[in-house]
Amino acid sequence: ETGVTQSPTHLIKTRGQQVTLRCSSQSGHNTVSWYQQALGQGPQFIFQYYREEENGRGNFPPRFSGLQFPNYSSELNVNALELDDSALYLCASSSRGQTYEQYFGPGTRLTVT
Amino acid sequence: AQSVSQHNHHVILSEAASLELGCNYSYGGTVNLFWYVQYPGQHLQLLLKYFSGDPLVKGIKGFEAEFIKSKFSFNLRKPSVQWSDTAEYFCAVMGPGSARQLTFGSGTQLTVLP
Repeated sequence: ETGVTQSPTHLIKTRGQQVTLRCSSQSGHNTVSWYQQALGQGPQFIFQYYREEENGRGNFPPRFSGLQFPNYSSELNVNALELDDSALYLCASSSRGQTYEQYFGPGTRLTVT
Repeated sequence: AQSVSQHNHHVILSEAASLELGCNYSYGGTVNLFWYVQYPGQHLQLLLKYFSGDPLVKGIKGFEAEFIKSKFSFNLRKPSVQWSDTAEYFCAVMGPGSARQLTFGSGTQLTVLP
């Protein structure tokens, strides 16, 4: 069974730029959730994708957007990067109709300078 | 909106000491509760979960947690910690909406001294 994978591992961007982060869900899972974990904080829910559509969103501005593909993998896009976007971005996959238990990937460390 | 409070930000124990980490949540409806652990350099892993039934839940590596509805609490316990338990521990509550998103506490860093 393949776990959740994310790429890249680390990324450094400049304020105002755009970034795309990628996530492959665990085998058999059809739902992907994205979280932002700032230093010293717990993860915060950004949004979730199910059947290629956004299915729930946390308190994040529209410049945070995403996609889900037919193979259930997902992308997180952030436009007009700000310094406060520096964080660990976590992807979690789950299977709807089950216990909704979420399995997390290793994360992408984004640094905005 | 639901919230989760973890009052202990950093706990330092010696090996073989007993552990209890506090977690309180604010949501008044039916809750699903979780404890996740993040070992240094590793990803978040599920330690244990409560959905319904017996309020005393046993997880991996000898951890357990007790759901006390009247106190809105879900404290994590382990009778005897090991050096390898050094990690950050997060309590989380699952939301009621269709996304069933997790709301996390700010975490407790546990350091176990050999």
